[in-house]
Amino acid sequence: QKEVEQDPGPLSVPEGAIVSLNCTYSNSAFQYFMWYRQYSRKGPELLMYTYSSGNKEDGRFTAQVDKSSKYISLFIRDSQPSDSATYLCAFDGGTSYGKLTFGQGTILTVHP
Amino acid sequence: EAGVVQSPRYKIIEKKQPVAFWCNPISGHNTLYWYLQNLGQGPELLIRYENEEAVDDSQLPKDRFSAERLKGVDSTLKIQPAELGDSAVYLCASSLGRATDTQYFGPGTRLTVL
Repeated sequence: QKEVEQDPGPLSVPEGAIVSLNCTYSNSAFQYFMWYRQYSRKGPELLMYTYSSGNKEDGRFTAQVDKSSKYISLFIRDSQPSDSATYLCAFDGGTSYGKLTFGQGTILTVHP
Repeated sequence: EAGVVQSPRYKIIEKKQPVAFWCNPISGHNTLYWYLQNLGQGPELLIRYENEEAVDDSQLPKDRFSAERLKGVDSTLKIQPAELGDSAVYLCASSLGRATDTQYFGPGTRLTVL
């Protein structure tokens, strides 16, 4: 069983839609939960970061963590074409801090 | 502020040839990471440096891969000899150095082995 499972998509939505991206994980030692966004031909950039169960909001983005179910989600409200990218969930605190474990990424396209 | 710089951006070589990638981290960042990203996959850590010391290289295939970070600033990752399966994007990242500090990624070097 993989430590992290992420639906690869691709996901295609119209502009203005609400997008839900999800990951499940199996390693109970994970303490930090992140979402990275990666544009084509670029490196990943940190979008959201949280360490507790519950919701964290930043503008149009909401990160949700459910430690009991080992499930994390990223919601994007009022999606824009500029949100078109690959979204990677990432986890820290497994074998050692600083060693991130990534999901395989979900490709999102928001069309006008 | 300049981000993480990597060069070259693209490299095409024939199998069995050597290749090297260079990374210059963000100024003041003590921790440097090399990741491998295969097509359609998330990055996987190859090696992590704290200053000039490699503190986690358990995922680095040491028979053909080597890395160095002289003087604790920029770093070089080398493959010798390259194999077809090494075709991937090699990402460098850096952070301030505390365990949970944000990792900032460079644009990567896209390697194609023919």
